[in-house]
Amino acid sequence: GQNIDQPTEMTATEGAIVQINCTYQTSGFNGLFWYQQHAGEAPTFLSYNVLDGLEEKGRFSSFLSRSKGYSYLLLKELQMKDSASYLCAVRAKAAGNKLTFGGGTRVLVKP
Amino acid sequence: GAVVSQHPSRVICKSGTSVKIECRSLDFQATTMFWYRQFPKQSLMLMATSNEGSKATYEQGVEKDKFLINHASLTLSTLTVTSAHPEDSSFYICSARDAGSTNLNEQFFGPGTRLTVL
Repeated sequence: GQNIDQPTEMTATEGAIVQINCTYQTSGFNGLFWYQQHAGEAPTFLSYNVLDGLEEKGRFSSFLSRSKGYSYLLLKELQMKDSASYLCAVRAKAAGNKLTFGGGTRVLVKP
Repeated sequence: GAVVSQHPSRVICKSGTSVKIECRSLDFQATTMFWYRQFPKQSLMLMATSNEGSKATYEQGVEKDKFLINHASLTLSTLTVTSAHPEDSSFYICSARDAGSTNLNEQFFGPGTRLTVL
């Protein structure tokens, strides 16, 4: 099976930076995704990494190290609207290329 | 971008009744749709993969006779929760892949259906 771990909750201040870590163990790794989910809503796609390194998209960046089974999502210049859950999901060939989600990290942005 | 809709957005039913949830891809064709369930403060758990024109593939521990999935067209998949019980109360979310896209990385999620069984 697959094992995906991320912190349960994080709190940060508006304008600051927060880094959400995700570690995974899987067979046949085939990509890692980050999604944002506001309470009661569906997840929205943020980023995708399949090769090692950093992918930057505006205020959001995602990093992957396949050898370490590790990724992080970096949120810069935090805004109040960034308060949400952030889900790390791994796609693996061993699982038929389906997505397996981590438990999610709830980020609370305070003024 | 691609849009996926779900209907209804919210449903309350009595224990023992059946509830049907629809998932539609509005501007693309989806040969594959996925059904997830999410309990409060937990992450998404894949229930089944819905394949157009063939039987759905269920994840371990998900009862196929209780959660009936039909994917009769390239734009519609339905999930029927049969003989619903209070423990089936959850947030049900579908997602779809665009069959015509070369980008197989992206799944488009529907807005979810909140089911409450009394």
